Amino acid sequence: DAGVIQSPRHEVTEMGQEVTLRCKPISGHNSLFWYRQTMMRGLELLIYFNNNVPIDDSGMPEDRFSAKMPNASFSTLKIQPSEPRDSAVYFCASSFGATGANVLTFGAGSRLTVL
Amino acid sequence: SQQGEEDPQALSIQEGENATMNCSYKTSINNLQWYRQNSGRGLVHLILIRSNEREKHSGRLRVTLDTSKKSSSLLITASRAADTASYFCATDTGRRALTFGSGTRLQVQP
Repeated sequence: DAGVIQSPRHEVTEMGQEVTLRCKPISGHNSLFWYRQTMMRGLELLIYFNNNVPIDDSGMPEDRFSAKMPNASFSTLKIQPSEPRDSAVYFCASSFGATGANVLTFGAGSRLTVL
Repeated sequence: SQQGEEDPQALSIQEGENATMNCSYKTSINNLQWYRQNSGRGLVHLILIRSNEREKHSGRLRVTLDTSKKSSSLLITASRAADTASYFCATDTGRRALTFGSGTRLQVQP
């Protein structure tokens, strides 16, 4: 298995633009997580899905952020409109299990810079 | 908010020495996990210790858990330059997904 695949690896955009980050979890995993990592705030959970259903989105900062999981093999995190404070590394992770706290396998991350 | 806080924030040692990192947390947990993150990479799971366990070993890694003190430690024995990375503890409270601490940056000098 190629592991958790994220794209793009790097994105530089201007304030106000729409950003879409993509994730392909490990085949057979039924939970998918989006985390954001910054120097100031560390690693924060944004949202997680179990069996394609959003379970906990309490970490989504505001309405500018949205996430979808249309099927078991694909998820997107969208920011519209983007702001400089959204600059961070966004990680997708997946796991197998019924709860949200099993062992996670992380992707390599998408580094977002909003100018 | 951070559930886990690692201590120290940064640690620099010589190759061959042992490295000890500590994690403190605030609420009761089901299990605690340690992850490693190399620069520019995603996190990689190292070891999981359940709340009813006190110590666990995996290769050169030794993890302890003291639920009465709400703390855990990760010991890396006979460190190598390749162990240079950031190390994070993550707690499972049974109420939401894993919550990660702020991390310890370990530098192993060859």
